[in-house]
Amino acid sequence: EPEVTQTPSHQVTQMGQEVILRCVPISNHLYFYWYRQILGQKVEFLVSFYNNEISEKSEIFDDQFSVERPDGSNFTLKIRSTKLEDSAMYFCASRRSGTSGNTIYFGEGSWLTVV
Amino acid sequence: AQKVTQAQTEISVVEKEDVTLDCVYETRDTTYYLFWYKQPPSGELVFLIRRNSFDEQNEISGRYSWNFQKSTSSFNFTITASQVVDSAVYFCALSDINYGGSQGNLIFGKGTKLSVKP
Repeated sequence: EPEVTQTPSHQVTQMGQEVILRCVPISNHLYFYWYRQILGQKVEFLVSFYNNEISEKSEIFDDQFSVERPDGSNFTLKIRSTKLEDSAMYFCASRRSGTSGNTIYFGEGSWLTVV
Repeated sequence: AQKVTQAQTEISVVEKEDVTLDCVYETRDTTYYLFWYKQPPSGELVFLIRRNSFDEQNEISGRYSWNFQKSTSSFNFTITASQVVDSAVYFCALSDINYGGSQGNLIFGKGTKLSVKP
């Protein structure tokens, strides 16, 4: 069964460093997402991406965040200058399109620890 | 504004007991989707079910069943004869129904942690 894959599964970084989280969405999916889950809290929407541009972003997704689809398969989340409060699990997700394509499938997450 | 409330923070049951996880939602949309996801201790989010607002039929899948009641804005999830492997955090989520690129974003509840003891 096709799945969303994410790398790395866990990354530790120093405050102020740049981090890139990588995702390979399911191959026939057209909509891509990043969500975040701070430890013990609910899952929060960060950004959605369609047709090579951001279609919606939340208040959390400020100027330190950016997303990119550098080729036909990868979808990346970059955090320019990490802060302690960026420590969280970051989930990539994707969905197909059309009336039957409204289920969002998640990857296994990338756990980011900022020290 | 859209909102999902899972009032039960934690539930603990003994194996083979039935358990119901509550979910209440708020939305101004007349059409929408509701979801349940499971997050086991390993951390991934596993899709369990999607239900659209047009369809109020209850659904059963093995030991899992879902009761959607539009009149009370609830979408409750019941596990029958619970097993230790059911131990996880369960999230209820809501999204609107549109097919443009900006739609389909999920609004999650805070989750209910279910512990099933042997």
